[in-house]
Amino acid sequence: EAGVAQSPRYKIIEKRQSVAFWCNPISGHATLYWYQQILGQGPKLLIQFQNNGVVDDSQLPKDRFSAERLKGVDSTLKIQPAKLEDSAVYLCASTSEWDTSYNEQFFGPGTRLTVL
Amino acid sequence: AQSVAQPEDQVNVAEGNPLTVKCTYSVSGNPYLFWYVQYPNRGLQFLLKYITGDNLVKGSYGFEAEFNKSQTSFHLKKPSALVSDSALYFCAVRDQDQAGTALIFGKGTTLSVSS
Repeated sequence: EAGVAQSPRYKIIEKRQSVAFWCNPISGHATLYWYQQILGQGPKLLIQFQNNGVVDDSQLPKDRFSAERLKGVDSTLKIQPAKLEDSAVYLCASTSEWDTSYNEQFFGPGTRLTVL
Repeated sequence: AQSVAQPEDQVNVAEGNPLTVKCTYSVSGNPYLFWYVQYPNRGLQFLLKYITGDNLVKGSYGFEAEFNKSQTSFHLKKPSALVSDSALYFCAVRDQDQAGTALIFGKGTTLSVSS
């Protein structure tokens, strides 16, 4: 079974530029998560999708971050405009069927963003 | 509010010795508890979880963890460490009694196993 795919793996941009990250979850996984992992910290949930609907986006900085999962499969996370403090690894994860709270999540390799 | 504490930034152990990586948690209800491991330039991998039942949970690669409700702890253990166990370990918690809450991760503990 193929794992969670993410691209690009690395991205360097100037502050105030925009950037987009792509994630393709494990086939058949209904629930998709985007996390932000700042150096020295654990992952922090940004947004959770159930199929193509948003379940939780309470931690998403909506003035600059947006995410979509139009067909309930792959997803895109965008930052516009980027700030220095957005430098982090952005992780995508998925889990099977409906989120039952105790399912383990399967993580992609992440996208390392550096904002200069 | 949910929270997880991993009090040690780094744990050093010699190969063949037992290892313990500590985790304490805080939730208002009953917890679901998880351990994940992260190798360099890779995403997190699931190791084990506690849902209910036996307090001693066995997981991948010979790891186990003991749930202690009175001490609100979920320490990760392995009887004999391998050099290949060197990685970053994350403890995570979710409140069973609050549907839809996010998984909360600790800040991580770097395990270094020397040969």
